[in-house]
Amino acid sequence: DGGITQSPKYLFRKEGQNVTLSCEQNLNHDAMYWYRQDPGQGLRLIYYSQIVNDFQKGDIAEGYSVSREKKESFPLTVTSAQKNPTAFYLCASSMRSPYQETQYFGPGTRLLVL
Amino acid sequence: AQSVTQPDIHITVSEGASLELRCNYSYGATPYLFWYVQSPGQGLQLLLKYFSGDTLVQGIKGFEAEFKRSQSSFNLRKPSVHWSDAAEYFCAVDRGDMRFGAGTRLTVKP
Repeated sequence: DGGITQSPKYLFRKEGQNVTLSCEQNLNHDAMYWYRQDPGQGLRLIYYSQIVNDFQKGDIAEGYSVSREKKESFPLTVTSAQKNPTAFYLCASSMRSPYQETQYFGPGTRLLVL
Repeated sequence: AQSVTQPDIHITVSEGASLELRCNYSYGATPYLFWYVQSPGQGLQLLLKYFSGDTLVQGIKGFEAEFKRSQSSFNLRKPSVHWSDAAEYFCAVDRGDMRFGAGTRLTVKP
């Protein structure tokens, strides 16, 4: 089955620690995205990547970093600079650039701070 | 500023009743329009989308949506709601980058 997987389902971060959220897709999609979801605020774009080895900041990139070394993978690191990381993180992918293309979502990772 | 608005934060309907969820957008030109559904603790699933053509769009699970250019709206409808429809619903627009509304939480009463 084709789809998007995210791991872990729950992640706990200690103060000052960097943590990495995994996102893998086997849909052969070119574009991948990371969103943050907070209650009552919908989804906000953190980073997106349209091709391998290239990515752009979204609306709330501060305190986050990404890499895109493989087409299938787009990991997100939440750094210690992100002072309010508790949220639900969603990864998505689409066929090519954001314009006109449907985005397909993974099941999400909930990040909690200890 | 370009935006998408879902005016209703929470809606409660009885099982079997009809449903309409509202979505308005403010863009200079007609964007591409989507409705997604999210069950608690899960990712988003696409219900339907509108790119062009017929303004009444059919989706999965018995949902439909109507694009009204004059009202800048893309409201989601279902004639008879089932208990399994309880979830959060997001409208999204794309005119170069995807923007999501804040969501409408649907509760279904038995």
